[in-house]
Amino acid sequence: KAGVTQTPRYLIKTRGQQVTLSCSPISGHRSVSWYQQTPGQGLQFLFEYFSETQRNKGNFPGRFSGRQFSNSRSEMNVSTLELGDSALYLCASSEGLGSPNEQFFGPGTRLTVL
Amino acid sequence: GQQVMQIPQYQHVQEGEDFTTYCNSSTTLSNIQWYKQRPGGHPVFLIQLVKSGEVKKQKRLTFQFGEAKKNSSLHITATQTTDVGTYFCAGHRAGNNRKLIWGLGTSLGVNP
Repeated sequence: KAGVTQTPRYLIKTRGQQVTLSCSPISGHRSVSWYQQTPGQGLQFLFEYFSETQRNKGNFPGRFSGRQFSNSRSEMNVSTLELGDSALYLCASSEGLGSPNEQFFGPGTRLTVL
Repeated sequence: GQQVMQIPQYQHVQEGEDFTTYCNSSTTLSNIQWYKQRPGGHPVFLIQLVKSGEVKKQKRLTFQFGEAKKNSSLHITATQTTDVGTYFCAGHRAGNNRKLIWGLGTSLGVNP
């Protein structure tokens, strides 16, 4: 099976712009989670989608949003970009929701905000 | 706030030395998962433990889940340069096992 894919891999934006990132999960996986990773901050959970519904949400402002489509592909959107949004955005898929499902990560999208 | 603590945050060892990272939760977990992220890469699932007191081994890596299901450890015997990376633990809270709670990771450096 193909792994989790994320597009684009690299992105440069300026403050105030918006951005949309895409994630295609492993075939058959119905859960998609998004994380923000910055140096020294570990993996900060953004949200999780399952069957097109947001099931869990982290502590991020409303500028961060996402959605999931009927084929389980997911997108996340960040509006009104700030310098602090520069990070690696990781998408992870799993077969189901919650325990004991392990997560399979994509390569990430490296976002730089200038 | 962060409910799973990982210690140490960083550790450098000489190749051949042993290494241990600890994961401590403030609440009981239904499972514990360990992931490894190589520099420049993405986290990769290593193993999952679900039973109280469970111990699993993968070659030089030994994983333990505490009796109270609140803590876990990863021990690497005779480290190699290929062990370099950040090791994350994560677990689902018992009773509310839909959200995966992550530790901040332990970054391991190995001097050849």
